[in-house]
Amino acid sequence: KNEVEQSPQNLTAQEGEFITINCSYSVGISALHWLQQHPGGGIVSLFMLSSGKKKHGRLIATINIQEKHSSLHITASHPRDSAVYICAVSSGNTGKLIFGQGTTLQVKP
Amino acid sequence: NAGVMQNPRHLVRRRGQEARLRCSPMKGHSHVYWYRQLPEEGLKFMVYLQKENIIDESGMPKERFSAEFPKEGPSILRIQQVVRGDSAAYFCASSQGDRAYYGYTFGSGTRLTVV
Repeated sequence: KNEVEQSPQNLTAQEGEFITINCSYSVGISALHWLQQHPGGGIVSLFMLSSGKKKHGRLIATINIQEKHSSLHITASHPRDSAVYICAVSSGNTGKLIFGQGTTLQVKP
Repeated sequence: NAGVMQNPRHLVRRRGQEARLRCSPMKGHSHVYWYRQLPEEGLKFMVYLQKENIIDESGMPKERFSAEFPKEGPSILRIQQVVRGDSAAYFCASSQGDRAYYGYTFGSGTRLTVV
């Protein structure tokens, strides 16, 4: 079993829909990260969380430390949100990241 | 501030050749992490370096791979005698420190293709 699990693996939505991507982890963490990767593109850091909730534009990230679970929500989804969303945790004392397998999101117009 | 610069963006090597991947961290960042993304797989940690020091290389293959981060200049990931299985995207991330609250900035990656 991977230390960081994401669900779903693939997600197709219609433009305007509310989207949720889930992430569960099994290790102690110092922070959890949500990253975005467009096909053939680089990696962009969306959020870094150690507790509670953060919001940036149409994106919201939450974390429940007790349940070892985080969610990424996208409100009013748009085709430009189509990308791979990756959950990662920093664990241990070197800051290296452990990644989930990613969720491939396609938003159709 | 140009962010994390990786070059080349794309690199094609024949089997047996050497590949050199470069990463210039953000200004003020002295911590560099290298990650590899194999086709259809998730990202995996390779090595963590600070200036002139390898701190954690637990993710590096035992042979053919090496990394450095000299006092001056970019961090280099070197792959000797490349094989087809080395074909992957290699990402570098930099940080101000090894504490989680510093966060990371990723480069655009180097796509290595071994033919």
